[in-house]
Amino acid sequence: EPEVTQTPSHQVTQMGQEVILRCVPISNHLYFYWYRQILGQKVEFLVSFYNNEISEKSEIFDDQFSVERPDGSNFTLKIRSTKLEDSAMYFCASRFRDRGAEAFFGQGTRLTVV
Amino acid sequence: QQQVKQSPQSLIVQKGGISIINCAYENTAFDYFPWYQQFPGKGPALLIAIRPDVSEKKEGRFTISFNKSAKQFSLHIMDSQPGDSATYFCAASIGASKIIFGSGTRLSIRP
Repeated sequence: EPEVTQTPSHQVTQMGQEVILRCVPISNHLYFYWYRQILGQKVEFLVSFYNNEISEKSEIFDDQFSVERPDGSNFTLKIRSTKLEDSAMYFCASRFRDRGAEAFFGQGTRLTVV
Repeated sequence: QQQVKQSPQSLIVQKGGISIINCAYENTAFDYFPWYQQFPGKGPALLIAIRPDVSEKKEGRFTISFNKSAKQFSLHIMDSQPGDSATYFCAASIGASKIIFGSGTRLSIRP
């Protein structure tokens, strides 16, 4: 069964460092998303991406965040200068089409900022 | 108006019992209502989903009941098993826009 894959599974970084979280969405999917989940809390939307551009972003997704689809298969989330409060699970998701299509989530990257 | 409110926050059910989790929404433009199951350290996995033109959807032991006029929907897990112990999130979206998650219900099934 096709799945969304994310790497790395766990990333530890020092405050102020840049991190790149990587995702390979399901191959024929067109819509891509990043979410985060602080331990024990709800899943929060960060950004959606379609047709090589951001279609929507949340208040969390400030200038420190960026997304890219560099080669038609990978979908990356970059945090330029990490803060302690960026520590969370980050999930990538993808869906095939719009209206009512299922969104599939990856297993997540646990980001720990020390 | 973009919120999805979920209750209860936690739920303990005896093995073989029925687990019921409720959600409510305000935005009538939502056209997709999925439920996700999440185990510790894992990503949310799609469990079952419904569109607003249907009042009920059943897949195995899992049933979504959808009340469009009340703007409420619920997940029923029949014959609950210890393996069902997980956190469950209801959610909603419009078209391909962001999926808005409820706050989650931690379900524990007692043997």
